[in-house]
Amino acid sequence: DTAVSQTPKYLVTQMGNDKSIKCEQNLGHDTMYWYKQDSKKFLKIMFSYNNKELIINETVPNRFSPKSPDKAHLNLHINSLELGDSAVYFCASSQAGGQSYEQYFGPGTRLTVT
Amino acid sequence: AQSVAQPEDQVNVAEGNPLTVKCTYSVSGNPYLFWYVQYPNRGLQFLLKYITGDNLVKGSYGFEAEFNKSQTSFHLKKPSALVSDSALYFCAVRDSASGGYNKLIFGAGTRLAVHP
Repeated sequence: DTAVSQTPKYLVTQMGNDKSIKCEQNLGHDTMYWYKQDSKKFLKIMFSYNNKELIINETVPNRFSPKSPDKAHLNLHINSLELGDSAVYFCASSQAGGQSYEQYFGPGTRLTVT
Repeated sequence: AQSVAQPEDQVNVAEGNPLTVKCTYSVSGNPYLFWYVQYPNRGLQFLLKYITGDNLVKGSYGFEAEFNKSQTSFHLKKPSALVSDSALYFCAVRDSASGGYNKLIFGAGTRLAVHP
């Protein structure tokens, strides 16, 4: 069973379009994250939700809007896509509190904006 | 500011030789440190972590890491490298200001190339 899954795996679209990426985890975690990995493989957190509540919101353009319908799902909607949005987007999850701390990552969604 | 540095963009090692991938950190308070591995076109996989306790931490696939508080380092090691270990390795530290949540700050990554 896939622990953290993302759809789609690849997304090719034109500038100005609106697109969404979906993430689901079956680990029973209460916290989920979106990361962006750029072409140089640098990984940066964008958002985090805990039990459907936004807890981390890094400096990200307003065109990016995350939504968490429940603690097992975290979606990312991107409006008016720009060339610079091309990257690999990773979803991750973890359990807040306790002693685990590590995050578990999905396989990534490679977004290409043309 | 809290940060993680991986000073080597790439590490080359011959199969069977020991490998070390370096990581240094800067964080206020006690550091919570992690190593992840990323294979091509894959997500990050958790390898090991240091939270407290023994300075030598053992993890997946025969990897281990040594926490050194005085040198603020958390180097990843393996006694005998395999060609299949070739991948991108990330060191990360938990942001101590993240409260009960686990905001991680990642290093830039080190590409490990193991040659037959």
